Order: sequence, then C-alpha cells, then structure tokens
Amino acid sequence: DAGVIQSPRHEVTEMGQEVTLRCKPISGHDYLFWYRQTMMRGLELLIYFNNNVPIDDSGMPEDRFSAKMPNASFSTLKIQPSEPRDSAVYFCASSLRGVLGNTIYFGEGSWLTVV
Amino acid sequence: DQQVKQNSPSLSVQEGRISILNCDYTNSMFDYFLWYKKYPAEGPTFLISISSIKDKNEDGRFTVFLNKSAKHLSLHIVPSQPGDSAVYFCAGGLYNFNKFYFGSGTKLNVKP
Repeated sequence: DAGVIQSPRHEVTEMGQEVTLRCKPISGHDYLFWYRQTMMRGLELLIYFNNNVPIDDSGMPEDRFSAKMPNASFSTLKIQPSEPRDSAVYFCASSLRGVLGNTIYFGEGSWLTVV
Repeated sequence: DQQVKQNSPSLSVQEGRISILNCDYTNSMFDYFLWYKKYPAEGPTFLISISSIKDKNEDGRFTVFLNKSAKHLSLHIVPSQPGDSAVYFCAGGLYNFNKFYFGSGTKLNVKP
C-alpha cells in the first residue's frame, strides 16, 4: 500500500521565492495534516483538514503560509515569499479517524532550505 | 507555548537495559497520547498510544505509562536494542478533535 507521498523531497530556494510543497494522502483517509519540524520546536502542527475542509489553521505562522486541499487526494502548502527562517522539514500526514486509535501516518517529509 | 514537552533532548542506554523516555503536558483536557519513532530522513512512524482512561498500555517491548495527576507520561523500552536508536516524539491531544500536539523529541542511542 502506498503511504503518504510528498514532493519535492528536497528544495533549495532563494529568499523571496515562492515555494510549493505537495502531498498525496493515503487513499480513504479523511484527515490531512501539515507539520513542520525544527530543532527548537520539534513537530509543530501548522494546519489540518477534514474531508478537504480546513479545520484549524492556528499553527500557520504567518500570512506568507497558505494551504489548500482541492480534493481528497491532494494538498499543497505554499510559502510566498519564503524566508531563511522557513528552512525546516515539512511533513504531511493523514489519518482515518476511528481506525487504529487515530493513528497518524506521516510522509517522508520535504526538506526545505531557503538561502 | 508548547503544550507537550520532552525535556531530555537525548538519552544513551546500553543494549539490553531499559530505556525510559519522558514527556510532560500542560493541558489537563488531553485525553489521548501517542508515541512516534523517527529514523533519519524518514517520517515519524506510530509506535504506541494510550487513552486517558488507562494508566498503562503495553505492546511487546514497549510500555507507555500515564500519570494524569502529574500530567506526565513515559515510554519504557525493555530490553533496548541498537535498532531502537531513533528520535522519539510524544504527542497529546483531544481524541474527538483528532488534533495532537507533539513534543520536540528525544534522541535515543542504544549502544551495542
């Protein structure tokens, strides 16, 4: 079974450029999460969707960050304009509520470096 | 403001001994807790969970203990194996909202 698929795996971009991270959740999962991992703060929840609808975006750091989920099999996290402090690993995750105790399945992450 | 804290960034244990990873949370409403393991260059993978109606959950070599009055949970690995070397994240949250807050992780090194 395919897990959560993220792209790109690695991205190096210049400050001020737009960055788009992509995610394909596990088929049938009704929750999708975007997390950011940094050394200082560990895994931070940025936003999550239920049935393609954003439920809680309180973790999105600034207006430069936006996320969309146009359908059940695709989501994007966009940073515009990007800044060096956005450098982190961004994880997408999905879950099917009520199954296996709300187990969240993570993708392998997108490593973003903004120079 | 982190609602879940892992105050030990790293832990080193000899193979065959017990590893104890600790986690504290601040929100007394949290009713569900998770532990995840993460290897380098991979996403975190689910390890074990516990509901607040329990104070212990066991799965093979892994046991999670929950102390609600202290808002503290711990993960015990017995016996520890070199393959257990990874970063361990704990998470707590509200089951019905399906929203979980993760700690900053503890890097476990099991020495052969």
